[in-house]
Amino acid sequence: NAGVTQTPKFQVLKTGQSMTLQCAQDMNHEYMSWYRQDPGMGLRLIHYSVGAGITDQGEVPNGYNVSRSTTEDFPLRLLSAAPSQTSVYFCASSRDFSGGYTFGSGTRLTVV
Amino acid sequence: KNEVEQSPQNLTAQEGEFITINCSYSVGISALHWLQQHPGGGIVSLFMLSSGKKKHGRLIATINIQEKHSSLHITASHPRDSAVYICAVYGGSQGNLIFGKGTKLSVKP
Repeated sequence: NAGVTQTPKFQVLKTGQSMTLQCAQDMNHEYMSWYRQDPGMGLRLIHYSVGAGITDQGEVPNGYNVSRSTTEDFPLRLLSAAPSQTSVYFCASSRDFSGGYTFGSGTRLTVV
Repeated sequence: KNEVEQSPQNLTAQEGEFITINCSYSVGISALHWLQQHPGGGIVSLFMLSSGKKKHGRLIATINIQEKHSSLHITASHPRDSAVYICAVYGGSQGNLIFGKGTKLSVKP
């Protein structure tokens, strides 16, 4: 089925560990983005990409890295996990900035 | 001040009631989105609109660009409508969506 595939669904990390959240879409969308969702707050943009080879920082980029080597994939890397990164992470894609968005199913990350 | 404000934060309704969720924004926008987040966590796009009104089944979304206000209406509400409804506007400095905090709707049978 066409859509955004996000893995893993759940992850527990120890402080200081690194990991990569995977995001892949098969809709040939140019725009992809990563958000985090915390209690009492709206989703906040971490990083985004407007096409292969192009990435940029969002509202809360510190502690995260991204790359976009292909149109399909947009992984999010946590360099050295901290408890403040405990959150639910969503990947999304759209044809362009203002187009209809398709979201992944989310990753619930706990850093202990 | 939040750039996107939703009201109410929480809403409990009886099955069959007409429901309205409001969204006000302070930034200039080119499009507004209504999203639905199910209790399991998945987010689904319901509407994208830049003017007027859109309808899909029992859901109706309206927007008034001059007043910077949008409403999401649910007619004949049903327990399966229970979810968090999120308003988001396209107009951030990075060309991104700015999200409201969501309205948690619970429809009782």
